[in-house]
Amino acid sequence: GNSVTQMEGPVTLSEEAFLTINCTYTATGYPSLFWYVQYPGEGLQLLLKATKADDKGSNKGFEATYRKETTSFHLEKGSVQVSDSAVYFCALSDQESGGSNYKLTFGKGTLLTVNP
Amino acid sequence: DTAVSQTPKYLVTQMGNDKSIKCEQNLGHDTMYWYKQDSKKFLKIMFSYNNKELIINETVPNRFSPKSPDKAHLNLHINSLELGDSAVYFCASSVRGVLDTQYFGPGTRLTVL
Repeated sequence: GNSVTQMEGPVTLSEEAFLTINCTYTATGYPSLFWYVQYPGEGLQLLLKATKADDKGSNKGFEATYRKETTSFHLEKGSVQVSDSAVYFCALSDQESGGSNYKLTFGKGTLLTVNP
Repeated sequence: DTAVSQTPKYLVTQMGNDKSIKCEQNLGHDTMYWYKQDSKKFLKIMFSYNNKELIINETVPNRFSPKSPDKAHLNLHINSLELGDSAVYFCASSVRGVLDTQYFGPGTRLTVL
């Protein structure tokens, strides 16, 4: 079945530090890949996505490139801010095995804390 | 305007009770979802409806019953609540399916005592 593996958190950085959160996936088909962010006390919001190999998703200074050869979609930001403190979820969508419906599978989330 | 809203935001109840959580979206989306997030933040899909039709039903106890009276609403009814049901439940919606961006509600924190 499909699965997403994210680096274990929590991750604690100082403001303006470089961020990488690793994400690798296993899928039977050709998934689309997503990063969602959950700020404290809120629901998830889409941060960025990529729908095919070599696509780069970007938003708010965050980037991730769909690497089919390494089945990875690592999230990066060159200079984090205190306001980036949140839980980050990597996810993939792919067709259910034997079915016609697509399902979103999430990683376990990585808590990022950015200190001033 | 709130795009995806859920009520209540907090729900504290005793084991064995029956409770409902309501979800409404004003985005005109066709597809709605229920997710469960446990205490370790792990998020797992429970159900998905498309135009009031159930399309995804994960391995969820049949004490959980979703109901979609119309395209804009997806409610979750839980019978005979158990301690392990304590979690945050998120409703979400998207235009056509999971390939589209999902918009999440603020969540309902359910605590079963």
